[in-house]
Parts: sequence; C-alpha cells; structure tokens
Amino acid sequence: QSALTQPASVSGSPGQSITISCTGTSSDVGSYTLVSWYQQHPGKAPKVMIYEVTKRPSGVSNRFSGSKSGNTVSLTISGLQPEDEADYYCCSYAGSRNWLFGGGTKLTVL
Amino acid sequence: EVQLLESGGGLVQPGGSLRLSCAASGFTFSNYAMSWVRQAPGKGLEWVSALSVPGNIYYADSVRGRFTISRDNSKNTLYLQMNSLRAEDTAVYYCTKEAIGAVSFENWGQGTLVTVSS
Repeated sequence: QSALTQPASVSGSPGQSITISCTGTSSDVGSYTLVSWYQQHPGKAPKVMIYEVTKRPSGVSNRFSGSKSGNTVSLTISGLQPEDEADYYCCSYAGSRNWLFGGGTKLTVL
Repeated sequence: EVQLLESGGGLVQPGGSLRLSCAASGFTFSNYAMSWVRQAPGKGLEWVSALSVPGNIYYADSVRGRFTISRDNSKNTLYLQMNSLRAEDTAVYYCTKEAIGAVSFENWGQGTLVTVSS
C-alpha cells in the first residue's frame, strides 16, 4: 500500500484560508470515514486536529475543518494565524487494522 | 492528564535488536488499543503496529516478522521488540493511544529515537 498523496507545501498570509488535499484510493479514503488530520510543529509530537473526516477534538479551534469527496479528503484552515505554521498529515484506515499516512504538507504562514 | 513516555531507543548495529517501552498514565490503559507510529529523519509518519484491547495484533508489511508488539496491563506499559534491524528502521518511534472506535491516534508520546548504523 502506498502513502496517501498530499502537496509538499502550501502557503498563505495571516487571515487567509488555505486547503490541503489528501488523495487515496477506493481501498482506503474512498471506503472509510476513518480519516484524521495531524498537526506537527518542529521537534514536537503530532496532534490530532480532525477525526472521522469532519469532527474536531475538544480544544481544537473551529478554524480547522475537514471534508471528503470520493477518494480525496481536505483540511481547510480559515483565518490563518502564525502558530498554524507546521507540517500537516492526513491518515486513513485501510482495512485489517492498517493505517496509511500522507507524505505530509508543510504550511508556511507568510 | 494522559501521558505516554517512551524509552529504550538508541544506536544499534544492522541486524541487532532493541526493545522499546511506553509507560502510560492518566487513563485506564487496559481499555484502549495502542499503536506505534514512526518517523524517519526529515520524513513523514508511518504506522508500524497496533494492539487491540482483546489482544489482536497487527503489523505494517515493512516490519512484519521482525517486530513484536505486546502490552503488560498490570504495569500500564506497551512494548515493541525490534529484531533484525535495518538502516531503514532508523526513526523516532511514537507510542500512541487510539481513540475509541479507532477513529484517530488521540494521544502521542514525545518519541524515542532509534538509529540503526554500523
């Protein structure tokens, strides 16, 4: 199984909105709603930002939202803030208790 | 507060072995599935292995037959026994607590670095 496909980098100015895409196949993203997104600052452990495609854990800003269309899921961050600058990873259940991560997207806040 | 504290990482020669431990606190350890996720230097995340509450075990193809996951609920500790280590196993290994229903890796440890090199 190959990693999910994410753009290597995206950027935006403070206050703007950005969207990060994550493309899988009909065997993973297309078959399950068990898709999550993780934020990772340099030298830190990842933190879950979105689970089950669209749900936010308690304490995560409502500026973060998720969506899905076919084999592609997306993470949208609205009202960009400097602290949003980080790496973002999508993750999908792939059956038989296997998980696939995306290659990661570096978000730069200009 | 949930805490996951990994230990056991270090430098090991190719073909060698290492055992990682993850001490858990702040939740009822026996009630949750646990996973190991790794990250090679400068690279992305890779799921390695999972251990469900009933004791079912799962591995990524890249480590199956070489790594063994286990848990000791009496000690609130998760383990990863790594044998026949290869250079490509070099990574930070994170212990993670799965959310109920396997909907996400909801808590992560700080990670422990494993370096496989001669």
